[in-house]
Amino acid sequence: EVQLVQSGAEVKRPGESLRISCKGSGYNFTTYWIAWVRQMPGKGLEWMGIIYPGDSDTRYSPSFQGQVTISADRSFTTAYVQWSSLKASDTAIYYCARRTNWAGDAFDIWGQGTMVTVSS
Amino acid sequence: QSVLTQPPSASGTPGQRVTISCSGGSSNIGSNTVNWYQQLPGTAPKLLIYSNNQRPSGGPDRFSGSKSGTSASLAISGLQSEDEADYYCAAWDDSLNGYVFGTGTKVTAL
Repeated sequence: EVQLVQSGAEVKRPGESLRISCKGSGYNFTTYWIAWVRQMPGKGLEWMGIIYPGDSDTRYSPSFQGQVTISADRSFTTAYVQWSSLKASDTAIYYCARRTNWAGDAFDIWGQGTMVTVSS
Repeated sequence: QSVLTQPPSASGTPGQRVTISCSGGSSNIGSNTVNWYQQLPGTAPKLLIYSNNQRPSGGPDRFSGSKSGTSASLAISGLQSEDEADYYCAAWDDSLNGYVFGTGTKVTAL
């Protein structure tokens, strides 16, 4: 079964660092782009950026450039997004999603989401 | 702030046809294909329509998509209670060099 499984919920303090993960299985992880999408409480979807695990080519949304770092480890078939210093405004659900190779730039497989809560 | 605009809500009685609009610009919908995602309450989004009007394998045929110029629309023919969800349009934006989602539309079955 093709799936993306994300790491569990996190509760952090402002200023702390964090890395959450997204593990792909059931397909060739290195040949599909993986995107990260933010959903703040009660709000819509925001594209953060995307990475190609085959060569780690990474693109960021201007809104998230410099705010997060997206990476991938081919040997672990896992993608990551990390923060060096969290803010309360980073509180959100974060989804990873696979960009298809057969339907243009659509995202056909989604992770279950990781809830990140940043509070003092 | 999304560059793709959708109505915040839409509703209909079971069996009715419901249409959701998505308005963009020349750098996104006007020059790239549109995808639609369905997000049921408390779950991850799911691809509903890709490449303007294509359904993924196994997708219900009561959902259809269309595009004209810088706008797109999603139609639900024969609304069912299980269709109550948030719906998002999305497309690549050449000016932003990134993917953009619509503002989202909450569909309610009355």
